[in-house]
Amino acid sequence: DVVMTQSPLSLPVTLGQPASISCRSSQSLVYSDGNTHLSWFQKRPGQSPRRLIYKVSNRDSGVPDRFSGSGSGTDFTLKISRVEAEDVGVYYCMQGTHWPWTFGQGTKVEIK
Amino acid sequence: QVQLVESGGGVVQPGRSLRLSCAASGFTFSSNPMHWVRQDPGKGLEWVAVTSHDESNKYYADSVKGRFTISRDNSKNTLYLQMNSLRPEDTAVYYCARDTFGSFDFWGQGTLVTVSS
Repeated sequence: DVVMTQSPLSLPVTLGQPASISCRSSQSLVYSDGNTHLSWFQKRPGQSPRRLIYKVSNRDSGVPDRFSGSGSGTDFTLKISRVEAEDVGVYYCMQGTHWPWTFGQGTKVEIK
Repeated sequence: QVQLVESGGGVVQPGRSLRLSCAASGFTFSSNPMHWVRQDPGKGLEWVAVTSHDESNKYYADSVKGRFTISRDNSKNTLYLQMNSLRPEDTAVYYCARDTFGSFDFWGQGTLVTVSS
């Protein structure tokens, strides 16, 4: 199985400051069609996961533009340009290139 | 708007069975593969199973293979997960999720399954 490794696992941030989460995969996530199926999800307490980013850098409808995704191959990053209080939660990367689809361990974002 | 509503969770003893349902609306259910994903309390997300749009292909995580069966009824816009021989480690919130080309774009609100004697 493809192992997804996130860092850090805990991220205390100051409101208004940037935050960055790394996600590394044990194999390249480039699919045979040339797409890279790497997504980012936000899980707020008591809510179901919400997709923020798909195919590395495509933001979902309604997702604030302070969220951005980047990377290629095996190395990916989610950035929040200015953290707001509503961004508190756990963030997961997920690969959908190789079966079974696998998630990172999650990064808990909290306000300092 | 897309809605996925899970039901069927509860408390069950080890070795017993439970069937989860996921009622879909707001899209053409028969067009999308559908998945079950679970989250162990206090832990991360784990993909469980997937069925293609017409049930011609189904895949399972090794942890549930041979015990869980995913199915769907496109005439009822409903996804199912039959869970047999349940173990304490199956305790989790179970989500159904819609598949769009290598990702999940919509998730249900989840249903809690607790396996305990």
